[in-house]
Amino acid sequence: GNSVTQMEGPVTLSEEAFLTINCTYTATGYPSLFWYVQYPGEGLQLLLKATKADDKGSNKGFEATYRKETTSFHLEKGSVQVSDSAVYFCALRSSNTGKLIFGQGTTLQVKP
Amino acid sequence: GAGVSQSPSNKVTEKGKDVELRCDPISGHTALYWYRQSLGQGLEFLIYFQGNSAPDKSGLPSDRFSAERTGGSVSTLTIQRTQQEDSAVYLCASSFLTAQETQYFGPGTRLLVL
Repeated sequence: GNSVTQMEGPVTLSEEAFLTINCTYTATGYPSLFWYVQYPGEGLQLLLKATKADDKGSNKGFEATYRKETTSFHLEKGSVQVSDSAVYFCALRSSNTGKLIFGQGTTLQVKP
Repeated sequence: GAGVSQSPSNKVTEKGKDVELRCDPISGHTALYWYRQSLGQGLEFLIYFQGNSAPDKSGLPSDRFSAERTGGSVSTLTIQRTQQEDSAVYLCASSFLTAQETQYFGPGTRLLVL
């Protein structure tokens, strides 16, 4: 079946460091891929998405490229801020019903 | 405009009791989803509504779980005879028109079964 695997956290970085959170997926067909973020005390928010191979999603300085050959959608940011501290979820959507399948989440803590 | 709202925000109940969780989607959104977020299982899909019908109920974990949607708007998730393993945050999301649109999530209902 379809699944998403994320790197385990927590990830702790200093402010202005480079961030990579790895995400790989298993799916039939051509899924759409997403990164959602959950800030402390808040609900899930869509961060970025990509709907086909080689698409790059970007938002708030974060980027992720849909790599079909490696079945990956790694999240990157060149310079993290304390305000980026949150839990990040990679997800795929492949069915016609729009069901999202999530990875287990990666906690990011950015220290000043 | 208003986002997805859920009530109650927190619910504590005793094992064996029934609970009802409510979701108000964004106005005009025809697709509605329920998910569950728990420590052991992560984020799991429960059910999808398109209008008042539920073409995908594949994530409901047992027949103690049911959901309905009336008037193409508000949805209620009911858990009968609650068990301790039902303790989780129940999230609702909605999207405009089709299942291919972006899903917007509510703040969740935190359920604790004692």
